[in-house]
Amino acid sequence: EAGVTQFPSHSVIEKGQTVTLRCDPISGHDNLYWYRRVMGKEIKFLLHFVKESKQDESGMPNNRFLAERTGGTYSTLKVQPAELEDSGVYFCASSQLSGGRTEAFFGQGTRLTVV
Amino acid sequence: GNSVTQMEGPVTLSEEAFLTINCTYTATGYPSLFWYVQYPGEGLQLLLKATKADDKGSNKGFEATYRKETTSFHLEKGSVQVSDSAVYFCALTDNYGGSQGNLIFGKGTKLSVKP
Repeated sequence: EAGVTQFPSHSVIEKGQTVTLRCDPISGHDNLYWYRRVMGKEIKFLLHFVKESKQDESGMPNNRFLAERTGGTYSTLKVQPAELEDSGVYFCASSQLSGGRTEAFFGQGTRLTVV
Repeated sequence: GNSVTQMEGPVTLSEEAFLTINCTYTATGYPSLFWYVQYPGEGLQLLLKATKADDKGSNKGFEATYRKETTSFHLEKGSVQVSDSAVYFCALTDNYGGSQGNLIFGKGTKLSVKP
């Protein structure tokens, strides 16, 4: 079974440009999460989708970040325009939707560098 | 709010040495506690977890016990191997709500094991 897949693995862009990160969750997982780790700091929650709906986007840093999950399958996270402080590793995770605490599976992350 | 504090790294050990990585938390309610591991070039993987006080999570020779009285979840291994070299993250999630998600992470501890 394929795991959580993220594209690209690395991205280097100039300040002011736009970048779109993609996450393909495990098939059948309705929960999809985005997290970000800025160098040397904690991994921080960004947002949570249940199917195509945003359940919680309290961690999104500002309106330059836009996440979508059309059709409830893969998700994209767009940063427009990118700033230097957006550099970091962006992780995606997915889990099954159930009444219990099912495990979240993480992708390898996308390392974004804004120069 | 909820938070996780883990010991700063990096930690360098010789093979077969004893490992302890300290983790303490602050949380309202009764969180679930986790240790995640990120091996070089890979995504985050769940190493072990505990969902209530006095539970012990264990996997691959690693153990951690949920101590409510000291709000701690220290990771231990009796004899580390070179293959244990990775970054270890302590995390918690609130037990109120639906599926697991909205993990709160510590900063991570990089472990290097020398032969």
